[in-house]
Amino acid sequence: DGGITQSPKYLFRKEGQNVTLSCEQNLNHDAMYWYRQDPGQGLRLIYYSQIVNDFQKGDIAEGYSVSREKKESFPLTVTSAQKNPTAFYLCASSIVPGQSSEGYTFGSGTRLTVV
Amino acid sequence: GDSVTQMEGPVTLSEEAFLTINCTYTATGYPSLFWYVQYPGEGLQLLLKATKADDKGSNKGFEATYRKETTSFHLEKGSVQVSDSAVYFCALSDVGGGNKLTFGTGTQLKVEL
Repeated sequence: DGGITQSPKYLFRKEGQNVTLSCEQNLNHDAMYWYRQDPGQGLRLIYYSQIVNDFQKGDIAEGYSVSREKKESFPLTVTSAQKNPTAFYLCASSIVPGQSSEGYTFGSGTRLTVV
Repeated sequence: GDSVTQMEGPVTLSEEAFLTINCTYTATGYPSLFWYVQYPGEGLQLLLKATKADDKGSNKGFEATYRKETTSFHLEKGSVQVSDSAVYFCALSDVGGGNKLTFGTGTQLKVEL
């Protein structure tokens, strides 16, 4: 079955460390997205990519970095510059941008905790 | 820019009660509208969608009608179950926005026996 796989499900980071969250999809979707979700808040867009080797900043990109070397993969690195990284991170994908009727498919999320 | 406004939660209902979660939107074009559901500790799942005015999306007993005249897409269910307890997100997608979804802040639903 096609879908999006996020790993790991739980991740612990020490102060000053960089960590990378994995997101892989086998849906042949062109566009991929990273969101951050904090308790009691909605989803905030970190980065998105509409095509391989290209990506754009979302609303809260500071302290994060991404790459899109393959269509299937869109890893997110949470750097030490992100001062409050504890959150639930969601990856999503969608078909060709411009076809607005299809929505997104989401992964099951990674919960990152700073220890 | 595009925006989505949802009623604040939590909404607490008894089992078999009628559910309405209000959602209104602002968009420059003719957006597609969606409801997503998030169960505890999970990602979001598409619940239903509507792509043009007067369309009704439905799934698992939930319904929502795309009302262009009132810019609304309220979620309804006639008889909720404990298993419906989750957070519900209203969202829109506008071609002019490059197919990026704009989400509401989410409404938590708690259904009690």
